[in-house]
Amino acid sequence: NAGVTQTPKFQVLKTGQSMTLQCAQDMNHNSMYWYRQDPGMGLRLIYYSASEGTTDKGEVPNGYNVSRLNKREFSLRLESAAPSQTSVYFCASSERLAGTSGTGELFFGEGSRLTVL
Amino acid sequence: DAKTTQPPSMDCAEGRAANLPCNHSTISGNEYVYWYRQIHSQGPQYIIHGLKNNETNEMASLIITEDRKSSTLILPHATLRDTAVYYCIVRVKTGNQFYFGTGTSLTVIP
Repeated sequence: NAGVTQTPKFQVLKTGQSMTLQCAQDMNHNSMYWYRQDPGMGLRLIYYSASEGTTDKGEVPNGYNVSRLNKREFSLRLESAAPSQTSVYFCASSERLAGTSGTGELFFGEGSRLTVL
Repeated sequence: DAKTTQPPSMDCAEGRAANLPCNHSTISGNEYVYWYRQIHSQGPQYIIHGLKNNETNEMASLIITEDRKSSTLILPHATLRDTAVYYCIVRVKTGNQFYFGTGTSLTVIP
């Protein structure tokens, strides 16, 4: 059981280049998330998808786009990378809201380390 | 969205209980309190969550005040492997969102 898988794990881009971070989960979770974490900082929510076919902005959506391709996959795209987007990106998924069955906890991938020169 | 306030850092002696506080004074009645931790630069790991009552699992205990404005995560016998950043999160009702703050960096001292 792989859980949440992110690719690539490392990437170096030049300013202005585009790229897509891929995320897939095999736990049949409805909700998926993208976070970024800058050095010495907490995680900030970029976008999330509460269910297949829906996406919503989080705290820091500017400069990013997302696609919920199907229930398993949620991708994050940088159309024109900037040095300010140098960060570690985490994808996560969760089953359902607490109070129904399950804890509603987040399961995280290992992170994708992006450097924009 | 309810915001949380945590001390930026704490130390704890190995083998002692680590008590990590969190203030969430604007929490709504049906919002849950979650705790996660992040070791080095790994993805955060779920620890425990609660609504009103105190909770305990194999990792920790969660004490929520009666007015729900604050909570404390208790690691009963801290080990060196518990050195991590601990995040207290209040889960918003709609949209299934989790907002992390900057957390508390706990250092367990031998």
